[in-house]
Amino acid sequence: NAGVTQTPKFQVLKTGQSMTLQCAQDMNHNSMYWYRQDPGMGLRLIYYSASEGTTDKGEVPNGYNVSRLNKREFSLRLESAAPSQTSVYFCASRRTAGDNEQFFGPGTRLTVL
Amino acid sequence: AQTVTQSQPEMSVQEAETVTLSCTYDTSESDYYLFWYKQPPSRQMILVIRQEAYKQQNATENRFSVNFQKAAKSFSLKISDSQLGDAAMYFCGILTGTYKYIFGTGTRLKVLA
Repeated sequence: NAGVTQTPKFQVLKTGQSMTLQCAQDMNHNSMYWYRQDPGMGLRLIYYSASEGTTDKGEVPNGYNVSRLNKREFSLRLESAAPSQTSVYFCASRRTAGDNEQFFGPGTRLTVL
Repeated sequence: AQTVTQSQPEMSVQEAETVTLSCTYDTSESDYYLFWYKQPPSRQMILVIRQEAYKQQNATENRFSVNFQKAAKSFSLKISDSQLGDAAMYFCGILTGTYKYIFGTGTRLKVLA
C-alpha cells in the first residue's frame, strides 16, 4: 500500500516551459487536492477534486490546470511556467467528505529559472 | 473568509520538557474541524491531532494534546516529554464546509538535547 505517490520528486524548468505533476493514490479515496508550500506562507490550496469527474478552484488557481483522470490519479499542469511558481507542491487525498483526515504525498520541489 | 494564524515562527524546547505551540483562527462557520500536522525534514506531512468544533473535550493523542478555546478561537498544541523526533514544522489548520482546508504559516520546533 503506497498511499499517495507523486512524480517527479524534483524538477527544474525554464520560464515558459510546461510540465505536468503526477499524483496517484491507492487508498480508494474520493477527493484529491493540490497544494503549494512557500516559505512563510504555509500550504495553500490550488485545486481540488471532490470526486472523479469534478474539479474546483482553491485559493491560488491562477497559472495552473488540473485533470482528475480517474479515481486514482489527479494531475497538475503548468502551461507556461513562471519564476513565481517555484515552490514545493503537495498532493493529498481524503476518503470521503465525512472523513476529515487528509493523506499527503512526499511533495515535488519545482524550480523555475 | 477563514484565516489561521501561528504567531510563533520558531520555538525551542529542552528534551523531556513540555512546549505549547499557539494557533488562533477566524471563521464564521459554526461547524468545522481543527487539526495539527507535523512536517519533519523528510517533508512528509503527518496528522498529529484533530478536534471537532462541536466537541468541548480537548483531544489527546499520547504525548500530544490540545487546548481548544472556542470562544477565543484558539487551538494550541501541547507536546509533553519532548523527544528529538518531535523536531519539525508544525502546521495548524481548519476545515470548513466540505473541502476548504486552510493552513497556518507554521511553527518550527527545535528540540535541544
